[in-house]
Amino acid sequence: NAGVTQTPKFRVLKTGQSMTLLCAQDMNHEYMYWYRQDPGMGLRLIHYSVGEGTTAKGEVPDGYNVSRLKKQNFLLGLESAAPSQTSVYFCASVSAGLSGNTIYFGEGSWLTVV
Amino acid sequence: DAKTTQPTSMDCAEGRAANLPCNHSTISGNEYVYWYRQIHSQGPQYIIHGLKNNETNEMASLIITEDRKSSTLILPHATLRDTAVYYCIVRVRDNYGQNFVFGPGTRLSVLP
Repeated sequence: NAGVTQTPKFRVLKTGQSMTLLCAQDMNHEYMYWYRQDPGMGLRLIHYSVGEGTTAKGEVPDGYNVSRLKKQNFLLGLESAAPSQTSVYFCASVSAGLSGNTIYFGEGSWLTVV
Repeated sequence: DAKTTQPTSMDCAEGRAANLPCNHSTISGNEYVYWYRQIHSQGPQYIIHGLKNNETNEMASLIITEDRKSSTLILPHATLRDTAVYYCIVRVRDNYGQNFVFGPGTRLSVLP
């Protein structure tokens, strides 16, 4: 998955702690997305952004905040982590345009909240 | 938003063609259909996408029905490395931009 990098790859948090996941892409893509994937399920959209300084809620936004201060970075924050947020988080990016464009995914960030 | 439905699981013999169906009956005219696959818990890997016409690339073929309510991904000669979860994804445009809706996926097992 060249071009989309997620950090950290693994993290264990205690309930109530906060943390930030960083997604960085070097393809000059306008759109960026944060998904979560729970065991046996598909990816569900948390938040997304269509450009620097803009964000929008997805299907499961509660408990998360995001920021897109720079075009290449999309940050996902957990202000007060809960066990229900234990999941694998994937970031994705895609260029804007009228025709279908390939979505590029990161390798995932495994988060465990105890 | 358009949604997709897929079989939960499928088996295929190694060397045979794997045909994975997807129903997207609520798709609208400007929405693309994408197929991705996920091996173990790695990041999803792009396979192919299309709007109206059938598409083919080095990995697979995508057959879209004329009414666009369903499609089939074809892996012409499945190998053991094709064992994965396959997702049929709809690209949805909204007033804000675009996002991608994942279905639950089909777990394809390629058997020796």
